[in-house]
Amino acid sequence: EDQVTQSPEALRLQEGESSSLNCSYTVSGLRGLFWYRQDPGKGPEFLFTLYSAGEEKEKERLKATLTKKESFLHITAPKPEDSATYLCAVGGDMRFGAGTRLTVKP
Amino acid sequence: NAGVTQTPKFQVLKTGQSMTLQCAQDMNHEYMSWYRQDPGMGLRLIHYSVGAGITDQGEVPNGYNVSRSTTEDFPLRLLSAAPSQTSVYFCASSYAAQGNSPLHFGNGTRLTVT
Repeated sequence: EDQVTQSPEALRLQEGESSSLNCSYTVSGLRGLFWYRQDPGKGPEFLFTLYSAGEEKEKERLKATLTKKESFLHITAPKPEDSATYLCAVGGDMRFGAGTRLTVKP
Repeated sequence: NAGVTQTPKFQVLKTGQSMTLQCAQDMNHEYMSWYRQDPGMGLRLIHYSVGAGITDQGEVPNGYNVSRSTTEDFPLRLLSAAPSQTSVYFCASSYAAQGNSPLHFGNGTRLTVT
């Protein structure tokens, strides 16, 4: 059975303090690794799709990378508006991890 | 362009009552799905549809029914609500078959069953 595990569950950063979120997965045949952002009371919003090991995608302060067993979401010099829950999912069954709740303090 | 619209936003039911959660999309997406989101468990797939007239079960289908009579609409029916169905429900759609393209989500229905 496909499994997706995200760590840490929660992360508190000071504004400007860079860090990384982890998404590890076990799937039989990866059909894409998806990252989403979810704000309180809202549905998840798509950020990135990665399809092959070594692939990287960037958007503003966020960069997603992919290896054969995990993906990282790197956040460079975060701002308070980056506070949200970040979800990853693996394509095929579109199975989601439980998410990382990020809080960025000014 | 409204995207994915879910109604109602909030609902309280008593055990044993039935209700339908509505979902509509205006992007002409073939694929639609329903998820529930519970603390610490992430999003879990309930049912999905790859086109009008076609539905299939996801990871947690028990206690829920769906139908897909049009491309735009994908309602979720709770036949006899139970406290274990207290959750936030999200409808999502995508332009390609399951797992191949990003999902567009509605803003959810928060359901409480007492």
